[in-house]
Amino acid sequence: EAQVTQNPRYLITVTGKKLTVTCSQNMNHEYMSWYRQDPGLGLRQIYYSMNVEVTDKGDVPEGYKVSRKEKRNFPLILESPSPNQTSLYFCASSFRGGSNTEAFFGQGTRLTVV
Amino acid sequence: GDSVTQMEGPVTLSEEAFLTINCTYTATGYPSLFWYVQYPGEGLQLLLKATKADDKGSNKGFEATYRKETTSFHLEKGSVQVSDSAVYFCALNKGGSNYKLTFGKGTLLTVNP
Repeated sequence: EAQVTQNPRYLITVTGKKLTVTCSQNMNHEYMSWYRQDPGLGLRQIYYSMNVEVTDKGDVPEGYKVSRKEKRNFPLILESPSPNQTSLYFCASSFRGGSNTEAFFGQGTRLTVV
Repeated sequence: GDSVTQMEGPVTLSEEAFLTINCTYTATGYPSLFWYVQYPGEGLQLLLKATKADDKGSNKGFEATYRKETTSFHLEKGSVQVSDSAVYFCALNKGGSNYKLTFGKGTLLTVNP
C-alpha cells in the first residue's frame, strides 16, 4: 500500500531535550515536506526536499532541522524543543514538483513540549 | 504573498443537506487549486483539484469550479452524509522548486443524522 509513515504519532517531551520525528514514504517520490498545523493558522511549511541531499527552508524553519540521506526518509529534528513548538506535524511527499501534483500526507505527529 | 481564505466554521448540517464551503485565493501566476479533507485522527488526503480556469474538480459527490474572475474555488455537495464529517482545507500550489501548498485555515464540518 502506498503510504507516508510518521513516527511517533504522539510525543510529550520536556524543553531542551532533542527529538527526532521520522517520516518514510514507499512511493519513490522525489519531493518531501514537513508542515505544522496550528489552530486558526492552517498548515505551514517548515522544510522541504527536492531529492537526496537537497533541502531548503519553508515558511517557518526556525528551531528545526532536516536531512535527506535516502530518498524514502525525511526526518524532522528538533535540537532544543521549546513550548512554542507544541503542534501537530505532518510529513508529505509528492512524485514531482509540478503545481498540479498531488501531495500524500502522513497521519501526523502530535508533539507537546512542556 | 499568496494566501487562501476559507470560511472557518464550524459548519453543522443535518444529513442530506446541501453543503457550500467558500474559498477564495490571492496569488500571482496560475496556481492549481485543491481541496484536502482530514478525517478525525488521520492525515490530509486529496479530495479534488483543478489546474486551470473553469476546470471543475469532482470526487465522492463533491464539486468545485476554478473561477479565475472571482478568484474562488468553492466546495459544494448536494447531499451530505454523516461520514462527510471532517475538516476541509482549501489550498493552492504554484509549483516550483519548493512544491509548497498554501492552505486556508480549515473548516470543520459536522453532519448530524
